[in-house]
Formats: sequence, structure tokens, C-alpha cells
Amino acid sequence: GNSVTQMEGPVTLSEEAFLTINCTYTATGYPSLFWYVQYPGEGLQLLLKATKADDKGSNKGFEATYRKETTSFHLEKGSVQVSDSAVYFCALSAYSGGGADGLTFGKGTHLIIQP
Amino acid sequence: NAGVTQTPKFQVLKTGQSMTLQCAQDMNHEYMSWYRQDPGMGLRLIHYSVGAGITDQGEVPNGYNVSRSTTEDFPLRLLSAAPSQTSVYFCASRLQVSYGYTFGSGTRLTVV
Repeated sequence: GNSVTQMEGPVTLSEEAFLTINCTYTATGYPSLFWYVQYPGEGLQLLLKATKADDKGSNKGFEATYRKETTSFHLEKGSVQVSDSAVYFCALSAYSGGGADGLTFGKGTHLIIQP
Repeated sequence: NAGVTQTPKFQVLKTGQSMTLQCAQDMNHEYMSWYRQDPGMGLRLIHYSVGAGITDQGEVPNGYNVSRSTTEDFPLRLLSAAPSQTSVYFCASRLQVSYGYTFGSGTRLTVV
């Protein structure tokens, strides 16, 4: 079956530090990969996505590259801000043409940025 | 454009009671799905639909029913609530398989 593994936190960084949150996956078919962010008390917001190998998704200074050879989709940001404090979820959608749908999520990484 | 609307936002049920969590989207999305979020577990897929009249089970379907009579609505039914169903429930929709899902703001359900 499909699965997503991501580093569990909390991850605590100082403002302006470099961020990496690791994500690896196992999937059948041809997965699309996503990063979602959840701020306290809110729903999930799509941060970025990649739909095929070597694609790079980017948004708001965050980037992630779809690496098929290492089955990874690590999230990076060059300089984090206090406002980036949130829970980040890696997810995949493995459409195999058989009518299946939905997302498979990692357990989430709680990111805390200190001023 | 309201996006994905979930009602109610909060609900307390007694064990054995039934209820329906409502989900509606106004984006003409074909794909819809329901998730539950529990501490330390991430989000887990309950049921999904790839179009009106078509539904299927996800990872944790037991205790839940769904139907999809229209493109817009995808209600989740709890027939006999149990304390193990205490969770935050999210509904989501998307236009195509390579698109990201748009999520509702969630329903926090407590079963006592």
C-alpha cells in the first residue's frame, strides 16, 4: 500500500535559519506529491505540489523536488520566519487509473520558529 | 466563491447517537474525500468519491457511511457514535487527479 514517512517534531529553529523537513514515500502507480500546512485551529492549506519526477514545487519561499530515485520530497526554505510556525504535512495521491482517489498523509511535523 | 464548507464546526454526541457531518463545495469539483485527524496520526482517509453516484472506502471506513447524490454535496454519516470516533473531521475536494485538494475548516466531534 501507499505510505508517507516524515520527520516528526517538534522542530525548533531560530528566525532566519535554513529549514529542511524530510519526506519519503512508498506508492503504487504514479504519485503526485504535496506539502500542506496547518496553522493552529485551522484547516489544511496546500503549500506546493509536484506531479512527476524531477518537478520542483515552490511557494512563499518554500521548495520541494520530486526525487523518484530516492522516493523523496523534502521541504526546504532558505530563511524561516516566526510566521512559518505551523504543522507541515507531506502527502501523496497515487492515481492508478482504477478509480481510487484521496490523499495518504505523513504524521506531520510541528515547526516552531523562535525570534 | 465559498470553497469547501463544513457544518457544524463543533459537535458533542452521546455514545450510540447518530449524526451527519455536512460538506458542500461550489467549485464544481468531481473529487471529494473525508479525513479524520487524530493527535500523532496525521490525517487518515475515511471515504472518497470520484463523481456523483460513485463512492468508495478509504483507510478507516468502519462506522461511517457516505453518499454523493450531487456534485456539490458529500455528507458523512455516523450511524451509532462511539468514543473512538472523537476526532477532527475534514472534507476536501479537487478538480482533477493531479490537482491539490482544497480543505474545509473542519468539524471537531466529541463522543461521550
